[in-house]
Amino acid sequence: DAGITQSPRYKITETGRQVTLMCHQTWSHSYMFWYRQDLGHGLRLIYYSAAADITDKGEVPDGYVVSRSKTENFPLTLESATRSQTSVYFCASSEGGIGDNEQFFGPGTRLTVL
Amino acid sequence: AQSVAQPEDQVNVAEGNPLTVKCTYSVSGNPYLFWYVQYPNRGLQFLLKYITGDNLVKGSYGFEAEFNKSQTSFHLKKPSALVSDSALYFCAVRAILTGGGNKLTFGTGTQLKVEL
Repeated sequence: DAGITQSPRYKITETGRQVTLMCHQTWSHSYMFWYRQDLGHGLRLIYYSAAADITDKGEVPDGYVVSRSKTENFPLTLESATRSQTSVYFCASSEGGIGDNEQFFGPGTRLTVL
Repeated sequence: AQSVAQPEDQVNVAEGNPLTVKCTYSVSGNPYLFWYVQYPNRGLQFLLKYITGDNLVKGSYGFEAEFNKSQTSFHLKKPSALVSDSALYFCAVRAILTGGGNKLTFGTGTQLKVEL
């Protein structure tokens, strides 16, 4: 199916565990993004990638790691999960740079860290 | 720093009535402004954007937004609301990251509730 998908959709984990959230897009968009959505904060950018093997920090990158070995995939890893990382995580992609083209969002992953 | 503010957490409107969801912005330079909508358990969907040109921007699902430079506002509007328009609406502005790249800065969202 065309589009942008995220897995898992729901995840419960424990403090200190490593967790990887997957994101896959079929449009061959150059740019991909990870956001977290929290009440009272809207969406905040964690990391983004302009192309395969090019990644950069957003506004809240601490505690997260990303990689982009293939254009279509952009996994987000929480190396040692903390309760403050309980959130809904959205992956997005766009053809061009941020702010120039619309971003297409995945359905989200709801992560709970106990 | 670039930012947007959505002063209303919730807006209630009767079906068939016009609706307005407010957004004000603060940027240095020319603003790139966006509206996105989020339905329950879904990701955000793009509605419209303003980069330059006509101050009235038309978007998806009959929505439009009016850019007002003097008031630094970018309010979302629709002439006749539908119950199916009930959702969470986000205003966003292009901003500059500390490292030099761009990002979208989102407002905190406004919950629109359209009632029969």
